[in-house]
Amino acid sequence: ETGVTQTPRHLVMGMTNKKSLKCEQHLGHNAMYWYKQSAKKPLELMFVYNFKEQTENNSVPSRFSPECPNSSHLFLHLHTLQPEDSALYLCASSRTTGASGNRGETQYFGPGTRLLVL
Amino acid sequence: AQKITQTQPGMFVQEKEAVTLDCTYDTSDQSYGLFWYKQPSSGEMIFLIYQGSYDEQNATEGRYSLNFQKARKSANLVISASQLGDSAMYFCAMREGRRRDSSYKLIFGSGTRLLVRP
Repeated sequence: ETGVTQTPRHLVMGMTNKKSLKCEQHLGHNAMYWYKQSAKKPLELMFVYNFKEQTENNSVPSRFSPECPNSSHLFLHLHTLQPEDSALYLCASSRTTGASGNRGETQYFGPGTRLLVL
Repeated sequence: AQKITQTQPGMFVQEKEAVTLDCTYDTSDQSYGLFWYKQPSSGEMIFLIYQGSYDEQNATEGRYSLNFQKARKSANLVISASQLGDSAMYFCAMREGRRRDSSYKLIFGSGTRLLVRP
């Protein structure tokens, strides 16, 4: 399934800039996720939203500010970032049915935004 | 704490041959799910296959099969008849225990880079 889109695909920004990453899912899912993938590190979960409510903030610095206006859209607002924040930022969505062991709850990912902070 | 271990940082396979990518996990949960994702150089994380902890049969999806050995806590991915397009990073992931809102966190391994030789 390729129903999760992310824009922009690439972003270069200075440490004093403010920018936003956008994610949109067309799969009818209710949960959306932000992940960070740095070089040589496993994927790290940043935020989780379920039915527009934030249910997880994985100790993310306040220079990353998520926004979820509805179950189909997720934003990540960036301000005063550091060079070590350069990474691939991946958005994902899933359905949460409450049933355990259900493949239908698979998380589907977007293509990611490659961010370079100078 | 839950953990996913992928001990093969890189692997080669000859086109049309089968290859096994290793994954071991650690969890104290009775109910959990295991996923394999493929990440080409473009960056998108593509879902391949899912295995629930209570599934009695090993999962299969086309050329992908999951060799699930619960007692050994391993969930190896087998790719049959390798194709050049299979060259990519492969990540094993585990769904952690479910939360009250039914969303969940994925724990990822460090990945295995597979290169298919013509």
